[in-house]
Amino acid sequence: GAGVSQSPSNKVTEKGKDVELRCDPISGHTALYWYRQSLGQGLEFLIYFQGNSAPDKSGLPSDRFSAERTGGSVSTLTIQRTQQEDSAVYLCASSSQGTNEYNEQFFGPGTRLTVL
Amino acid sequence: TQLLEQSPQFLSIQEGENLTVYCNSSSVFSSLQWYRQEPGEGPVLLVTVVTGGEVKKLKRLTFQFGDARKDSSLHITAAQPGDTGLYLCAGYGGKLIFGQGTELSVKP
Repeated sequence: GAGVSQSPSNKVTEKGKDVELRCDPISGHTALYWYRQSLGQGLEFLIYFQGNSAPDKSGLPSDRFSAERTGGSVSTLTIQRTQQEDSAVYLCASSSQGTNEYNEQFFGPGTRLTVL
Repeated sequence: TQLLEQSPQFLSIQEGENLTVYCNSSSVFSSLQWYRQEPGEGPVLLVTVVTGGEVKKLKRLTFQFGDARKDSSLHITAAQPGDTGLYLCAGYGGKLIFGQGTELSVKP
């Protein structure tokens, strides 16, 4: 497809389990971002990739959160030992260049994570 | 820490009314973006303002960047039910910092 895709669209898991969320950016986009959005709230920055490198991972809330990007394309966000407070919508975005003030980020539909 | 405060958080109006959403900060941003998000979808960029005092119009939507580049407003004229959604402002300061959003409901 032409846009950013994310999978799964919904994920329900039990507290303590690990989850993997996947993002397929727009082809050719070098920059990729992960955000977290709690119900009805704004977006909280998690991590930024330029190519396969992550120059800014300052938003990852704890060491239970990690992300990688391979081949300058697909990215996976992993949450280990999930907690109820991890429940949120996880959004991925990509852009055609590195982060700057003119940059348009294109967002995927998100993965809604529910931790029981 | 850079923060963006949006107000109001919730707005419910009748079709045809005008409204203004505000986005304020104590920090200076290089640019400010406005996004609109519908349920189950990711945000979609509406506009980017870069210059202090800049005004941009998009049909019935008017966006303004404050002279000091610390605040912005979104004004909608004659709101339509199709304008319903979550409006988010985001300031660029090395990365995008998002406000908490304004949930707009326009009733026919």
